[in-house]
Amino acid sequence: SYELTQPPSVSVSPGQTARITCSGDELPKQYVYWYQQKPGQAPVVLICKDTERPSGIPERFSGSSSGTIVTLTISGVQAEDEADYYCQSADSSGIYRVFGGGTKLTVL
Amino acid sequence: EVHLVESGGGLVQPGGSLKLSCAASGFTFSAAAMHWVRQASGKGLEWVGRIRGKANNYATAYAASVKGRFTISRDDSKSLAYLDMNSLKSEDTAVYYCTTLVDFWGQGTPVTVSS
Repeated sequence: SYELTQPPSVSVSPGQTARITCSGDELPKQYVYWYQQKPGQAPVVLICKDTERPSGIPERFSGSSSGTIVTLTISGVQAEDEADYYCQSADSSGIYRVFGGGTKLTVL
Repeated sequence: EVHLVESGGGLVQPGGSLKLSCAASGFTFSAAAMHWVRQASGKGLEWVGRIRGKANNYATAYAASVKGRFTISRDDSKSLAYLDMNSLKSEDTAVYYCTTLVDFWGQGTPVTVSS
């Protein structure tokens, strides 16, 4: 079955830039969505269709894509950004959705 | 204001059945594809399946891990979505979210499969 691969953890100091990657063979053909999840809460979408930021999402969150790797970049990381981050996309058919394994962002 | 409220979770024995409901309000439910996503304690998100709207013939799709055991349905007249779970296994223990994926998520309902 199709899989998306994320690093299990990323650590940064406040004010620095965090980059979280997501890799998958179908990413050149299928959009990626990024979600943030804090403990005890439902996920919240940060980035749609690889690079689009929904209204209400701070500008420090951005997405980029290059071939089979997409990247969520958090510029000027704040303590409140400490959370789990998931990428989500679809398989080659576009029917079956898949989530990456998640990345825990630690703000040092 | 949009609301998605799941209900029906609880404790069930292995091999048993459970039916979850998702009550929607605040958006055009009939036009939305409704997904179910689950999350085991301390683990990541897992897509369970989805049902599309009438315009797409209520097409369903399921993850391999639940195909043949779980069934998703909807009642557009009541703005309800359902997840019918049969032949439950311990590995189905998780919080189950009802969601449109990008836009709206419920707060989840816990399901525990244990003897």
